[in-house]
Amino acid sequence: GAVVSQHPSWVICKSGTSVKIECRSLDFQATTMFWYRQFPKQSLMLMATSNEGSKATYEQGVEKDKFLINHASLTLSTLTVTSAHPEDSSFYICSASWLADTGELFFGEGSRLTVL
Amino acid sequence: GQQVMQIPQYQHVQEGEDFTTYCNSSTTLSNIQWYKQRPGGHPVFLIQLVKSGEVKKQKRLTFQFGEAKKNSSLHITATQTTDVGTYFCALTTDSWGKLQFGAGTQVVVTP
Repeated sequence: GAVVSQHPSWVICKSGTSVKIECRSLDFQATTMFWYRQFPKQSLMLMATSNEGSKATYEQGVEKDKFLINHASLTLSTLTVTSAHPEDSSFYICSASWLADTGELFFGEGSRLTVL
Repeated sequence: GQQVMQIPQYQHVQEGEDFTTYCNSSTTLSNIQWYKQRPGGHPVFLIQLVKSGEVKKQKRLTFQFGEAKKNSSLHITATQTTDVGTYFCALTTDSWGKLQFGAGTQVVVTP
């Protein structure tokens, strides 16, 4: 089946620095990818929709200048957390949209960000 | 927008017992999906339900979609330690691939 890969799996950074997370679709082209955030013991919350070749669409309450999304190719979307603060520490997960017959959506392995 | 309530949020099960997790919506749903997330892992797709009254089985897992398409359930029989994790229901919102997740049911299995 389709595979979505995320990198890095985990990252620790200092407060005020920026961190880039990559999401790749390995065996299919994804015109649309989605970024979710999950705090400990909580559910996944959609942050934004990443559209290849155009601007991302952000959910209400998500700062677009803080969470920069770039979808420059059909297999790669990146999420950059700018000027990270400890409250940005979370599990960031991407998914790629591919219209499988079963309705299945494919998620990356997730990236755990810890901001010190 | 559409919202879904998932209960219980936590389920402690003895190995071999059955349990059920439920998702309820105040509005009619076009479809509902179920995912399993192991501790430290990412969500893994289990199934999608589309039709009113639909029942689907995957080995010990039985998924139901209510007749009014406002609720869904996941029933696991003879729970095993491999069933540990959090089970989420999820709705497709205004466009394909955009999911709204329920709160999840965290399942702990005691041997």
